[in-house]
Amino acid sequence: DTGVSQDPRHKITKRGQNVTFRCDPISEHNRLYWYRQTLGQGPEFLTYFQNEAQLEKSRLLSDRFSAERPKGSFSTLEIQRTEQGDSAMYLCASSSGLAHTQYFGPGTRLTVL
Amino acid sequence: EDQVTQSPEALRLQEGESSSLNCSYTVSGLRGLFWYRQDPGKGPEFLFTLYSAGEEKEKERLKATLTKKESFLHITAPKPEDSATYLCAAEGSYKLIFGSGTRLLVRP
Repeated sequence: DTGVSQDPRHKITKRGQNVTFRCDPISEHNRLYWYRQTLGQGPEFLTYFQNEAQLEKSRLLSDRFSAERPKGSFSTLEIQRTEQGDSAMYLCASSSGLAHTQYFGPGTRLTVL
Repeated sequence: EDQVTQSPEALRLQEGESSSLNCSYTVSGLRGLFWYRQDPGKGPEFLFTLYSAGEEKEKERLKATLTKKESFLHITAPKPEDSATYLCAAEGSYKLIFGSGTRLLVRP
């Protein structure tokens, strides 16, 4: 399977704990995106990488959120001191430099108790 | 402000009953208009990309069209397996701006 993969698929945590998610993009794609989706809504943009450089962050992204993409390959999204409002599906997508189409992974479902 | 609006929010069809889903957008410097299908608990699955007004694309029972302000997803003779949420997204500067989706239920 050469699609976008995400790990874990589900995460349950207690309020105040830190969590980290991983995304592996399609191998030849140099752009990687993180989105968040809550029930009944479309995905909302969080941040975007071109290779290892983080080029844009949404104003919705608080200081508790940080993302990295070392060596321009996989990416991690960390949420510190989780809050119940962080409960959502976190989606990763990737695209190549020439094409605009973003391909999504299966998502990580986060539940904060 | 960039915005994408989809209608209707939900649509129930009988198998074989054709219909259309609407996506209106206000995005400066549109680079592309995308349609995705999303099944419950899964990530969006890419369907179509449209780049310019007048463009049309087809795949099986689905056909997507684009004007300067709207896009339509036409579903011809739908089957129960077409039941899903259909998401429309507009690309401005690399990021996608999504609508809230149309939940489609096709009854046998």
